[in-house]
Formats: sequence, C-alpha cells, structure tokens
Amino acid sequence: AQSVSQHNHHVILSEAASLELGCNYSYGGTVNLFWYVQYPGQHLQLLLKYFSGDPLVKGIKGFEAEFIKSKFSFNLRKPSVQWSDTAEYFCALSNAGKSTFGDGTTLTVKP
Amino acid sequence: NAGVTQTPKFQVLKTGQSMTLQCAQDMNHEYMSWYRQDPGMGLRLIHYSVGAGITDQGEVPNGYNVSRSTTEDFPLRLLSAAPSQTSVYFCASRRLAGEGNEQFFGPGTRLTVL
Repeated sequence: AQSVSQHNHHVILSEAASLELGCNYSYGGTVNLFWYVQYPGQHLQLLLKYFSGDPLVKGIKGFEAEFIKSKFSFNLRKPSVQWSDTAEYFCALSNAGKSTFGDGTTLTVKP
Repeated sequence: NAGVTQTPKFQVLKTGQSMTLQCAQDMNHEYMSWYRQDPGMGLRLIHYSVGAGITDQGEVPNGYNVSRSTTEDFPLRLLSAAPSQTSVYFCASRRLAGEGNEQFFGPGTRLTVL
C-alpha cells in the first residue's frame, strides 16, 4: 500500500518569510513525486515534480523541493513567500498504478 | 488541446435524483480518475481507470459508478444522490507510466444535494 503524509494542515506566514512544507511517503518501489497547488476557487496545477536525477528540483514561481530517499521525504521550500502564494498545497506520488495525494496544507500569507 | 474538460460546472440535485458528471480528455492518457474535495479532507479518490474497459475503486466508491468505454471519456454516475455527496468533484488524467507522469485536472464540478 502507498501513502502520503503532509505534516502541516495550516501554515500562516508573513510576506518575505521562508516556507518549508513537509511531505513523507510510503512506497517500496520507484515513485514519481509531485507538488500541486490549488489557488482559491481553481483546480489543481502542477508546481514541480521529481522522477529521477538531481534530487533538488525547481518548479514554478520560485518553489523547489528536495527528494531525500533515505527519509522518504519530499519537502517543498520557498525562500521568500508572497501574498499571492496563498493557496492549498498537495504532495502526491504516482507509480504505474494509482496516484495518491496527501491531505493538503493550506498556506495563508499575510501582507 | 483542450486538456481535461468537465461538465457541468455547477449542479443542484434533490435527494434521490440521479445524474452523470462528464469528463473527457484529449491527451490520449491511459489513466483517468475521479476525486471529491471536501473542506479539511483533501482529495479523496472515488474511482480510477487504467485504460478502456478497466475500472477500479478508490477510497470512497460507495454511491458512485463509473465506466470507461473509450480512452477519452470517464463519466461518473450518482445513482441516488444524498446530501453527503455535496462536494466539488475533480476529474484528472495522466499517462499510466513513465517518468514525470503528472496528473492534469479538470476545472471541477460543484455539486449540491438538497
């Protein structure tokens, strides 16, 4: 069985603060890992993905994530958040079978 | 490419009514899935399909049926709507395997059951 766990349900930051959202997964084989973002009233969009190679991946809007295989983690980071980053963030994994999502983390950035 | 399309965008039903949420994709993706999204509960997988003629249950399949007669279409049927099915429904598709097989989501259907 595969699973994804996101540690933070709701994070509140001020603009320019640094962000790190935790994600751990459970799966015994090769996985593709993703972070999706859902802005208020919109559908999910891909933020970044990891499938092989450099474990530090860069996505859109200055986001990056680091895959640490030994810790089964794929944490999302951004050095300086903006008000427009207010959204819900989902970590997910896919293999040749189904995709599994975490419960999501709501990020609120105060101007 | 239109990507993943869903209809309708909004729907109001009375308890006991049936309806079908439509989902179509034009990317020739093998994998398609339906999720429901409720406040504080993330995305919950209802049903998924790995190809035409093949479907399987997700976490919360009760009260929903699906079929996959073509690669492009994956309709979700509510047999007898209940207030507990009030939710936002998202359809998604992706390649079945391979590197970086991210999901592409439709715009969602907001369903209210009275």
